[in-house]
Amino acid sequence: EDQVTQSPEALRLQEGESSSLNCSYTVSGLRGLFWYRQDPGKGPEFLFTLYSAGEEKEKERLKATLTKKESFLHITAPKPEDSATYLCAVRTSGGSYIPTFGRGTSLIVHP
Amino acid sequence: DVKVTQSSRYLVKRTGEKVFLECVQDMDHENMFWYRQDPGLGLRLIYFSYDVKMKEKGDIPEGYSVSREKKERFSLILESASTNQTSMYLCASSLSGSYGYTFGSGTRLTVV
Repeated sequence: EDQVTQSPEALRLQEGESSSLNCSYTVSGLRGLFWYRQDPGKGPEFLFTLYSAGEEKEKERLKATLTKKESFLHITAPKPEDSATYLCAVRTSGGSYIPTFGRGTSLIVHP
Repeated sequence: DVKVTQSSRYLVKRTGEKVFLECVQDMDHENMFWYRQDPGLGLRLIYFSYDVKMKEKGDIPEGYSVSREKKERFSLILESASTNQTSMYLCASSLSGSYGYTFGSGTRLTVV
């Protein structure tokens, strides 16, 4: 069974304090790893798709990287507006194209 | 800007009522999905559709049904609402399996 695990469950940072969120997966045949941001009471917002090990994507203070077993979402010099829950999802080559979602990391950035 | 629109942000219904949650996308996407999201359980797939009039069960279809009569509209139906269906319901669409989802803003349903 495909497994997607995000860590930590919750993270508190001071403004400007860089850190990383982790998404590890045990799947066969990765076809895509997706990162989303979700604000309280709203639907997730798509951030990035990564397809192969070594790939990197950036958007403002966020940078996503991918290895064969995990992905990191690096947050550089975060601001309070970066506070949100970050979800990752993994799609595999086996059968259904439906991705498996992790449970998310709740990030709070204090001013 | 592409959009997925869910008809209600908040909804309160009584036990036993038939409930309709509507979702419309303006991106000409083939695939549409209904999830529910509960604290500690994450996103759970209820039903999805990869074409008009087609539907597939997700992980937790019991107590739900769906309708997709037009490409842009995907409706979730709670046949007889129960309190354990109190949840945040999220609709999403995607162009294909290779692309990320576009989610709606969600409907927070409370069944009393």
